[in-house]
Amino acid sequence: EPEVTQTPSHQVTQMGQEVILRCVPISNHLYFYWYRQILGQKVEFLVSFYNNEISEKSEIFDDQFSVERPDGSNFTLKIRSTKLEDSAMYFCASSEWGLPSGEQYFGPGTRLTVT
Amino acid sequence: AQSVTQLGSHLSVSEGALVLLRCNYSSSVPPYLFWYVQYPNQGLQLLLKYTTGATLVKGINGFEAEFKKSETSFHLTKPSAHMSDAAEYFCAVTLDRGSTLGRLYFGRGTQLTVWP
Repeated sequence: EPEVTQTPSHQVTQMGQEVILRCVPISNHLYFYWYRQILGQKVEFLVSFYNNEISEKSEIFDDQFSVERPDGSNFTLKIRSTKLEDSAMYFCASSEWGLPSGEQYFGPGTRLTVT
Repeated sequence: AQSVTQLGSHLSVSEGALVLLRCNYSSSVPPYLFWYVQYPNQGLQLLLKYTTGATLVKGINGFEAEFKKSETSFHLTKPSAHMSDAAEYFCAVTLDRGSTLGRLYFGRGTQLTVWP
């Protein structure tokens, strides 16, 4: 069964450093998403991406964040200068269709630890 | 504002017992409603969803949920728990029926433990 993959599974970085989280969505999917979950808190939407541009972003997704689909298979989330409060589990998701038909398939997540 | 409340961060049941995971949402417009499950070291997997039509929705692994507009609820149930049901369960909603963009709002999750 096709699945969304994410690398790395765990990333440790120092405050102020740039990190890139990588995702490989399911190959025929057109909609892409990033969510994050700070320990003990809700899973929160960050951004959605469709047709090579951001469709929607949350208030969390400020200028420190960016997304890119550099080739036909990868979808990346970059955090330009990490802060302690960026420590969280980051989930990538993709769907073949938009709502209401499109089920979002989630990857296993990347745990980001900022020290 | 959109919000999702899951009552209880942990639920323990014995194998064979009824599982009831509660979810309430706040929205003036009936949203699309989802339940996801997360097993250790895996991504979130869709259990079931309600978009329109029949309010009782059946999902995978014997789970079902009922949309009750009057109670703004979408509780998840399974008549008989199995050890393999131990996981974290997330209720989620998305509001904008006019959009296909699919932004999900999640509850905090309920960790289900099943003991023999």
